[in-house]
Amino acid sequence: DGGITQSPKYLFRKEGQNVTLSCEQNLNHDAMYWYRQDPGQGLRLIYYSQIVNDFQKGDIAEGYSVSREKKESFPLTVTSAQKNPTAFYLCASSMARQMDGYTFGSGTRLTVV
Amino acid sequence: RKEVEQDPGPFNVPEGATVAFNCTYSNSASQSFFWYRQDCRKEPKLLMSVYSSGNEDGRFTAQLNRASQYISLLIRDSKLSDSATYLCVVNTGFQKLVFGTGTRLLVSP
Repeated sequence: DGGITQSPKYLFRKEGQNVTLSCEQNLNHDAMYWYRQDPGQGLRLIYYSQIVNDFQKGDIAEGYSVSREKKESFPLTVTSAQKNPTAFYLCASSMARQMDGYTFGSGTRLTVV
Repeated sequence: RKEVEQDPGPFNVPEGATVAFNCTYSNSASQSFFWYRQDCRKEPKLLMSVYSSGNEDGRFTAQLNRASQYISLLIRDSKLSDSATYLCVVNTGFQKLVFGTGTRLLVSP
């Protein structure tokens, strides 16, 4: 079945450590996105990519980095520069122009310990 | 002004009730519109797209008013399983969707 897979489901990070969240899709979607959601809050866009080897900053890109070397994959690295990384991270994908909306992965819950 | 605004609720309704949510958007050039449902600690899932002529899917009806720049979602005969947060989503034409902060619905027995 086609879908979008995020891993791991839960991740614990120590202070000052970089961690990478995986996002893979087999929907043949052109565009991929990373969002962050804090408790009781809406979704905030971190980065997005419309095509391979190209990506743009979203509204809260500071402290994060991404790559898009393959159409299927869009990993997100949470760096030590991100001062408050504890949140629920959601990856999504869509066809170009988003006319059919997004498909979301099941999310990664990151906690700083 | 936020690009997409929703009443955060919560809306507390008994089973069987009819409930309506509204959402306003600021960009008049917005091209497509959606309602998503998000359960607690889960990912958002597409509930329905919203078309200019209005559309219905079972107990759910979505309508778009371009002149007033608002979108509505009507849920008839509410079920306990309808309890969730409903996100209004707008394609403003800038390569990404804009999400509202969501309206929380609680359906009680």
